[in-house]
Amino acid sequence: DQQVKQNSPSLSVQEGRISILNCDYTNSMFDYFLWYKKYPAEGPTFLISISSIKDKNEDGRFTVFLNKSAKHLSLHIVPSQPGDSAVYLCAASTQGGSEKLVFGKGTKLTVNP
Amino acid sequence: DVKVTQSSRYLVKRTGEKVFLECVQDMDHENMFWYRQDPGLGLRLIYFSYDVKMKEKGDIPEGYSVSREKKERFSLILESASTNQTSMYLCASSSGDRYIQYFGAGTRLSVL
Repeated sequence: DQQVKQNSPSLSVQEGRISILNCDYTNSMFDYFLWYKKYPAEGPTFLISISSIKDKNEDGRFTVFLNKSAKHLSLHIVPSQPGDSAVYLCAASTQGGSEKLVFGKGTKLTVNP
Repeated sequence: DVKVTQSSRYLVKRTGEKVFLECVQDMDHENMFWYRQDPGLGLRLIYFSYDVKMKEKGDIPEGYSVSREKKERFSLILESASTNQTSMYLCASSSGDRYIQYFGAGTRLSVL
């Protein structure tokens, strides 16, 4: 049973516009959330994270929003650039465990010039 | 910068062979992980280790074993490779008090 879901397999946006990637989770014990970026034939690279005690975290062009009541988080990229084209993975973890992450299946973002 | 190094980028093996995938991290991280990534299935955890000589099964441990004799090195072993183990294998590490995992570049394993 998928605990972390990324329901959109792909997303296409124009350069300069906003990209919004969504992630839903079912386990209310998750208390830390991460986004990774993955290029083909490479390992995932950590992008940004958020603790469940916050509802927003910003790092440059990247902002993650967390809505605990809806069990939903989103990653906003503004402005989008062609180099942002990659697969974005959402991940979640529970405190006090073994720091295991549960990953979504990913959303492939294409930013068109 | 954290560096996680996987010994091979591409590997081709025959069915029934014993396969070793090696992973080394240089940040003195306590935790190390092995995942496989398959199209449509995402990243699935095979095994992880939170200390030397300690290991725990992940979600799909069948057909695999692991070894962690030194803190910096975590090996994934396919005792008798099968074609359904053809996949991209990813190693990761994290500090004991942090959730962020750092990944290696991956090993694309083909079992013929």
